[in-house]
Amino acid sequence: AQSVTQLDSQVPVFEEAPVELRCNYSSSVSVYLFWYVQYPNQGLQLLLKYLSGSTLVKGINGFEAEFNKSQTSFHLRKPSVHISDTAEYFCAVSGSNTGFQKLVFGTGTRLLVSP
Amino acid sequence: KAGVTQTPRYLIKTRGQQVTLSCSPISGHRSVSWYQQTPGQGLQFLFEYFSETQRNKGNFPGRFSGRQFSNSRSEMNVSTLELGDSALYLCASSLGPGIGNEQYFGPGTRLTVT
Repeated sequence: AQSVTQLDSQVPVFEEAPVELRCNYSSSVSVYLFWYVQYPNQGLQLLLKYLSGSTLVKGINGFEAEFNKSQTSFHLRKPSVHISDTAEYFCAVSGSNTGFQKLVFGTGTRLLVSP
Repeated sequence: KAGVTQTPRYLIKTRGQQVTLSCSPISGHRSVSWYQQTPGQGLQFLFEYFSETQRNKGNFPGRFSGRQFSNSRSEMNVSTLELGDSALYLCASSLGPGIGNEQYFGPGTRLTVT
């Protein structure tokens, strides 16, 4: 079975500063990794995904993530955040043995961007 | 193209009642998955449907059930509601179960059980 750990429940940061949201996963089989964002009273929106190939994945809104198999990590980064990036961010994993559509989510990281 | 729609958006029910939530996927999408989101348990997978067949099921009691119709629309039902069933129920649709088919989430149905 797969599992995901998001090490930080909340990350405060100033506008235009860089940010890294950490995600570690556990799996005994090949995995597919995702980052989703959730704004208040909305559903989830996919930021980026890693399926295979290049370990550096670029997503929407200037976000990127790096898949590190040896450290079983998939940290999300943005070089300069905006107030509008304030939201909840979820790391998720699916596995080749459980089906691509069955996502296992981490507990989420609330990104708080202040001026 | 319209996104995933979920009805109703808000619902208040009493313990012991049953409830049916509806999800209409994006046109052309044939896979629908359901998730429960609560402050305590986070986001948890409920079930996945493709071509009217349940392909995957999460670790929930039998009170939780679902189905998919021939037009890919899906419903989930919770019987004998408990206070702990209060949650945001999210539906996601995709083209199919294959690798690389992105899931698009609806805004959710917020269920409150009193």
